[in-house]
Amino acid sequence: NAGVTQTPKFQVLKTGQSMTLQCAQDMNHNSMYWYRQDPGMGLRLIYYSASEGTTDKGEVPNGYNVSRLNKREFSLRLESAAPSQTSVYFCASSESAMGNQPQHFGDGTRLSIL
Amino acid sequence: SQQGEEDPQALSIQEGENATMNCSYKTSINNLQWYRQNSGRGLVHLILIRSNEREKHSGRLRVTLDTSKKSSSLLITASRAADTASYFCAPSNSGYSTLTFGKGTMLLVSP
Repeated sequence: NAGVTQTPKFQVLKTGQSMTLQCAQDMNHNSMYWYRQDPGMGLRLIYYSASEGTTDKGEVPNGYNVSRLNKREFSLRLESAAPSQTSVYFCASSESAMGNQPQHFGDGTRLSIL
Repeated sequence: SQQGEEDPQALSIQEGENATMNCSYKTSINNLQWYRQNSGRGLVHLILIRSNEREKHSGRLRVTLDTSKKSSSLLITASRAADTASYFCAPSNSGYSTLTFGKGTMLLVSP
């Protein structure tokens, strides 16, 4: 039972570099999410995909792009990394984007930008 | 979506004691979820309580919901060191809604 798998687990980047964080779920869920978690800030929603073929902005989308590659995979791209994007990034999935559906989380990608 | 606010921010207890943490929210909701996050891991869904429910149990967890006070509480009975984690609530006030997580309550259970 893999659930939600995120790669890589750790990454160090230099300012201005780009990278893509990968997320895959094996639960046949329709909806997927990207969050960032910073100390003292809780989790903040970056982007989400309610269903395959759709993506929407969350609370903090600036500096990020996403791709819902297929039903299983949802990637997050940093085009030009900035130190303010140093954070722990979590991917989650749920059966639907209805508010009564529990979300299932991966174990995160720890990203440091120097 | 709306954000819940967990209280206290931190709670330290001994093994075997009960732990109570609270969640307040601002507008009417359809349901409220509680999640746990162990250090270095993602959030894990614990329990969902609907607006027409007042209390719900799952193992050593007891969740209450008071819609008149716009608050919920999570009680963990007979705490264990393994319960050490951060706990988050996520109220939801519409059918189609993303969840918003607060800063959580950090629970430390000492042996």
